[in-house]
Amino acid sequence: DTAVSQTPKYLVTQMGNDKSIKCEQNLGHDTMYWYKQDSKKFLKIMFSYNNKELIINETVPNRFSPKSPDKAHLNLHINSLELGDSAVYFCASSSEGHPNQPQHFGDGTRLSIL
Amino acid sequence: GENVEQHPSTLSVQEGDSAVIKCTYSDSASNYFPWYKQELGKGPQLIIDIRSNVGEKKDQRIAVTLNKTAKHFSLHITETQPEDSAVYFCAAFYGKLTFGQGTILTVHP
Repeated sequence: DTAVSQTPKYLVTQMGNDKSIKCEQNLGHDTMYWYKQDSKKFLKIMFSYNNKELIINETVPNRFSPKSPDKAHLNLHINSLELGDSAVYFCASSSEGHPNQPQHFGDGTRLSIL
Repeated sequence: GENVEQHPSTLSVQEGDSAVIKCTYSDSASNYFPWYKQELGKGPQLIIDIRSNVGEKKDQRIAVTLNKTAKHFSLHITETQPEDSAVYFCAAFYGKLTFGQGTILTVHP
């Protein structure tokens, strides 16, 4: 009964390839996020979706394209992968309504570019 | 935009001691301050949070204080245990979460 689940957990691929990471939450939340954690553990938001609509896009290269088929899913597709894309990507979700609801994170997808 | 500074970057304590991690933020509009614990191979887990209309909050061995005037907030862990060893992140929210750089806490038995 994992709250926020991501697949795959590990992704190893070559430069130039296209890959996708999937995220699902069963918390009934309205808002979902993608974060990137670099090798120094720094966490930075990439995207935020509310009810399938893009809310935040933090100047991420357009090689990254999030897609939200429904409120419970937010997938991340990355085109033409580069060495600098190697990182751990976290999906998170929170509920709407009262401002500043806690965000719940998945366990991450470790992306390694060869 | 918001900038969150977190100190120290590493903290080593003996079991039973207290641990304090401090953060400062730059945007006075930030109104929500969560703390996350991240264990190896796992995602950040919320351990405590505080809103800007509250100065202090406590949950068992964990407490957080907020000084809005000085724009800083702190995490206090008392009676530390080896299982408290992890990376701790502070964050400030105004429209989005901005994280501090993280503190690696090691509790020695």
